[in-house]
Amino acid sequence: GNSVTQMEGPVTLSEEAFLTINCTYTATGYPSLFWYVQYPGEGLQLLLKATKADDKGSNKGFEATYRKETTSFHLEKGSVQVSDSAVYFCALTGSSSNYQLIWGAGTKLIIKP
Amino acid sequence: DGGITQSPKYLFRKEGQNVTLSCEQNLNHDAMYWYRQDPGQGLRLIYYSQIVNDFQKGDIAEGYSVSREKKESFPLTVTSAQKNPTAFYLCASSIDLDNVKEPQHFGDGTRLSIL
Repeated sequence: GNSVTQMEGPVTLSEEAFLTINCTYTATGYPSLFWYVQYPGEGLQLLLKATKADDKGSNKGFEATYRKETTSFHLEKGSVQVSDSAVYFCALTGSSSNYQLIWGAGTKLIIKP
Repeated sequence: DGGITQSPKYLFRKEGQNVTLSCEQNLNHDAMYWYRQDPGQGLRLIYYSQIVNDFQKGDIAEGYSVSREKKESFPLTVTSAQKNPTAFYLCASSIDLDNVKEPQHFGDGTRLSIL
């Protein structure tokens, strides 16, 4: 079945460091891929998405490229801020999963000033 | 602004009691969902609904019930049969079930605890 695997956290970085959070997936066909962010005590917000191979989603300085050859959708940011501290979830939908979002376990990001 | 409103933000349940979590959306979305989130874990689907008066069980529906009498509303009842209800509950909506390229939109969640 479909699945999403994220790197385990917490990931701790200093402010202005480069960020990569790995996400790989298993799916049949051509899923759509999403990154969501959850700030403490809040619901989830869509951060970015990509719906076909080689698409790059971007928002608020974050980027992720849909790599079908490596079945990956890694999240990157060139210079993180303290305000980026949150939990980041990778998810997919489409193909055999139809409507249902398949979630990664989440990666907690801690940015120290 | 359009969005999803969940209430209350915090809820406490006594043993043997049913409690109902509210979810209202003004996005004109057809599909709505309920998820459960436990500490340090991802989201698990409880129930979902494609249209009014129709809903389907998700992965962990036991001990929960829902209704969809209006397009805007999708309340979740946590029954006394749910033996471990302490969790963070998230409601979401999307344009429809078939448009898989469109994201789900989330409310701010309800944190349920046992007294």
